[in-house]
Amino acid sequence: KAGVTQTPRYLIKTRGQQVTLSCSPISGHRSVSWYQQTPGQGLQFLFEYFSETQRNKGNFPGRFSGRQFSNSRSEMNVSTLELGDSALYLCASSLWTGGKSPLHFGNGTRLTVT
Amino acid sequence: QKEVEQNSGPLSVPEGAIASLNCTYSDRGSQSFFWYRQYSGKSPELIMFIYSNGDKEDGRFTAQLNKASQYVSLLIRDSQPSDSATYLCAVQVTADKLIFGTGTRLQVFP
Repeated sequence: KAGVTQTPRYLIKTRGQQVTLSCSPISGHRSVSWYQQTPGQGLQFLFEYFSETQRNKGNFPGRFSGRQFSNSRSEMNVSTLELGDSALYLCASSLWTGGKSPLHFGNGTRLTVT
Repeated sequence: QKEVEQNSGPLSVPEGAIASLNCTYSDRGSQSFFWYRQYSGKSPELIMFIYSNGDKEDGRFTAQLNKASQYVSLLIRDSQPSDSATYLCAVQVTADKLIFGTGTRLQVFP
């Protein structure tokens, strides 16, 4: 069974631009979560989607948004990029069995904002 | 107070020793707890999960949970240099939100 696939692996953008990251979950997984990882802050929760609905959101500004499609694939978008948005963005999927389903992570997208 | 706290390390242990990694959490209602391992430049991979108080063993790994003390730990027996990585503790604070600690860096030296 294929794992979680994230594209692209690397991105270099300029301040003020916007970016869209893509995530394909493991087949059969309907929950997709997104995390931002930086050396100083560790893994920070961005949001979680299930059946095309955002069920939970972390403490990030509105510039960070996402969506999930009917096939469970998910995208996240960051508008008006800032230097501080440089990070590794990780997508994770799970079966979701009421909170007892581990997350399985993709390889991440490393975003550099210059 | 952070929701999930871990000592950042590094924790250095000799090969063959027991490595003990600790984690505390703030939400008493948390029910599910996970340990992930992350090698440098890689994504986190699940090592173990534990839901009930007590110990859970899987090979060289043992997870321990004490909900009264809001404490979860991971023991690695017979540590190997290949175990050198950052270990992330994760707590399910709601059914749809998993919060991670900042991780403990483990170094196993020959």
